[in-house]
Parts: sequence; structure tokens; C-alpha cells
Amino acid sequence: GQQVQQSPTSLVLQEGENAELQCNFSTSLNSMQWFYQRPGGSLISVFYNPSGTKQSGRLTSTTVIKERRSSLHISSSQITDSGTYLCAMRGSSGNKLIFGIGTLLSVKP
Amino acid sequence: DAGVTQTPRHEVAEKGQTIILKCEPVSGHNDLFWYRQTKIQGLELLSYFRSKSLMEDGGAFKDRFKAEMLNSSFSTLKIQPTEPKDSAVYLCASSFGPNSDYTFGSGTRLLVI
Repeated sequence: GQQVQQSPTSLVLQEGENAELQCNFSTSLNSMQWFYQRPGGSLISVFYNPSGTKQSGRLTSTTVIKERRSSLHISSSQITDSGTYLCAMRGSSGNKLIFGIGTLLSVKP
Repeated sequence: DAGVTQTPRHEVAEKGQTIILKCEPVSGHNDLFWYRQTKIQGLELLSYFRSKSLMEDGGAFKDRFKAEMLNSSFSTLKIQPTEPKDSAVYLCASSFGPNSDYTFGSGTRLLVI
């Protein structure tokens, strides 16, 4: 089965609403990352190796490594937040990232 | 630009052709990764190099996919022969080392007809 489960798979918001994206890992992990991808674009690192709670502007990541979960909170969503948000984990060996399927976020005016 | 450079941006191939995708990692990065991205499967690891040595070559992709890294600043991914199911975005990424952030390239969008 999938080692990285993301939910929801898609989300539609009105501009100004908040979003909560979830990521759960079925195996133990060393670290994880959140990425953002605009349609047709490349992946941009949003939060690298977060633990506990970290904030960057309107984005907040809350990660509990021991419980194998992480969430990404987007407050006061804007149209430009639309895109796909992916979480990824590093296992116990090597540097490879294993990705979730992503959450497709669409923010409407 | 000091990021990861991938060429070409788009590729159209006929079934059975051989195609070669190229990647230049960030200068000084030791790890290089090739991923395939589709809507159904998401991102799947194809190959992983550390200091030019192949660390992992993504089992299911072994028979027709071959990644090489002849020097620290250039990698290729060869698909031979191509099949329509290979249509996807191929992403290259590099990293300084263990537990370091990844930098992704813009990807190559491949269509096999």
C-alpha cells in the first residue's frame, strides 16, 4: 500500500477561507517535506524538515514525527494559492523522498 | 540561473522510439534523482545517484529505463523503446546530501503516440 497518504485529494475554497491538508505515513520516517506545484510547473519546497509547528506567512505546518503525521494549514486563502500540495517522507536509509499523491487546491473568487 | 536545468521541456515520440532526457543538477549537489509524475500514480522514483554512483534504480522501471551520470554536472535518462504508457512528466531533482532540501527542475513533458 501507499506509504504516504494525503487527504483530501482535492479541495475547493472560496477566497478567504482556511484549508487544512493532512499527511499520514505508514512507516517510520526520518523527516518529511511539503511541496507546492503550480499547474504545469515544478515543485517548490514549502516546508523542509519541519517538526513541531512552523509558520511561513499564511502557511503553518504541524508535524509529529513519532505519530507519523503532518498537516498544512493555509489561512485566508488567495486565488494564487491554487495548485497541488504534496507531502513527502524520507525513510531510515538514504536521501530519497517518497511522495503522497497530492491535494489539488482550487481557490475561487 | 543556479537551479536544476532539464531539456527538452516537451518531447513527442512515436511508439518504439528511443528518447533521451537531460538534466543538469545544481552545482555542488551530490545527490540526483529522476522521478516520473502522472495524475494516477503521482511521483515515482526512477533513479537515485549519489556522487555519480547509482544508489537505486526503481525496480519496476529497470527494463526500458536507464539513467546515467557520467559526470557530476550532467545526467541522462534514456527510455528505449518508448510505449504510450510512458507519457508523463519526468522530473529531475538534486540535493546536497542526506536530509538536505531538494531542488527540482521544470520537468520534461513526454507524449508517446
